[in-house]
Amino acid sequence: KAGVTQTPRYLIKTRGQQVTLSCSPISGHRSVSWYQQTPGQGLQFLFEYFSETQRNKGNFPGRFSGRQFSNSRSEMNVSTLELGDSALYLCASSHPRTSGEETQYFGPGTRLLVL
Amino acid sequence: AQSVAQPEDQVNVAEGNPLTVKCTYSVSGNPYLFWYVQYPNRGLQFLLKYITGDNLVKGSYGFEAEFNKSQTSFHLKKPSALVSDSALYFCAVREPDRGSTLGRLYFGRGTQLTVWP
Repeated sequence: KAGVTQTPRYLIKTRGQQVTLSCSPISGHRSVSWYQQTPGQGLQFLFEYFSETQRNKGNFPGRFSGRQFSNSRSEMNVSTLELGDSALYLCASSHPRTSGEETQYFGPGTRLLVL
Repeated sequence: AQSVAQPEDQVNVAEGNPLTVKCTYSVSGNPYLFWYVQYPNRGLQFLLKYITGDNLVKGSYGFEAEFNKSQTSFHLKKPSALVSDSALYFCAVREPDRGSTLGRLYFGRGTQLTVWP
């Protein structure tokens, strides 16, 4: 099976702009999670989607939003970009079970640089 | 609250020697524990996980991890390190059966492993 794919791989934006990142999960996976990785804060959970519904959200401002489509592909959007939003954004997909024992498989990430 | 600690930012080991990357966790109930590895400019790659059963879990590329409930630890080990094992390693935990946070992984800060030739 193909792995998790993320587009674009690299982005350069300026403060105040908005950006949309895309994630295609492994075929058959219906859960998609997003994480932000920075040197200072490490890996931080953004949100999780399952069957087009957000079922979990981390402690990020409302500028960060996401959605999931019927084919399980997901997008995340960051509006009014700030310098501190520069990070590697990772998407992970899984085939969720009710107990939570499933493995999340990560994509290569989108590296966002805000100037 | 769930948390993961990786007490060492860096671990250095000579090729051929055994390696250990430490992880301790704090979670209510029995945890699900995971190890991931990240190579430069790449995403996280799954190595192994502990769900239940045998405390010694074997994973990819010769790695294994030992779950110790009394010490709340899940240390990653490999009997003989390779230069190609040099990477950033993350420990993660998830609480089982928590509907409100079901899919969420809590990660440690990461440990940079360097294997010297």
